[in-house]
Amino acid sequence: DAGITQSPRHKVTETGTPVTLRCHQTENHRYMYWYRQDPGHGLRLIHYSYGVKDTDKGEVSDGYSVSRSKTEDFLLTLESATSSQTSVYFCAISDGGLGTDTQYFGPGTRLTVL
Amino acid sequence: DQQVKQNSPSLSVQEGRISILNCDYTNSMFDYFLWYKKYPAEGPTFLISISSIKDKNEDGRFTVFLNKSAKHLSLHIVPSQPGDSAVYFCAASAAGANSKLTFGKGITLSVRP
Repeated sequence: DAGITQSPRHKVTETGTPVTLRCHQTENHRYMYWYRQDPGHGLRLIHYSYGVKDTDKGEVSDGYSVSRSKTEDFLLTLESATSSQTSVYFCAISDGGLGTDTQYFGPGTRLTVL
Repeated sequence: DQQVKQNSPSLSVQEGRISILNCDYTNSMFDYFLWYKKYPAEGPTFLISISSIKDKNEDGRFTVFLNKSAKHLSLHIVPSQPGDSAVYFCAASAAGANSKLTFGKGITLSVRP
């Protein structure tokens, strides 16, 4: 298994509070991704990173920001959490970013916004 | 606009029989396709992939078929086992897209003992 950890694994928070999720990898892969999984939607890309300090938006980026100050860490921040951001969040990594590169996923973080 | 479609939300098969999971795509730029398996409370795990230069890729009990003209791929599992019961996601990417994957909504496979 690829060395990917996510923290926390579960979090309950209130509307309007800031939340930061962390993804940590030990594979030294260049690319890192944040997805959310919701019933009826599959996996949707929030943001991704193609190197330290290099990030870009995915298809559902509104309300989220990311940062990558080190190769191994990719942070996802909800500046002011809303109930619509209740979801399961997955981090993924890949090595090449060449379009034929496999992504490997972390175990997920279940976030509930009350 | 859903570019990767898994139109059947669920599939139930008998143990030992073949499971066929289907996936359609609309973006002609997609040239790499993957299947992931997901158990509850776990992250998706990579299962098998196929490049657009091939029409078939096999790995043990799992075979993926690609029909580019129909923009259709399928995953065959033979023989199906109860441990195969999971959600299966089809995903696709295009060259030069930073390996961004577009996922289908998933199919829940149940294998009955």
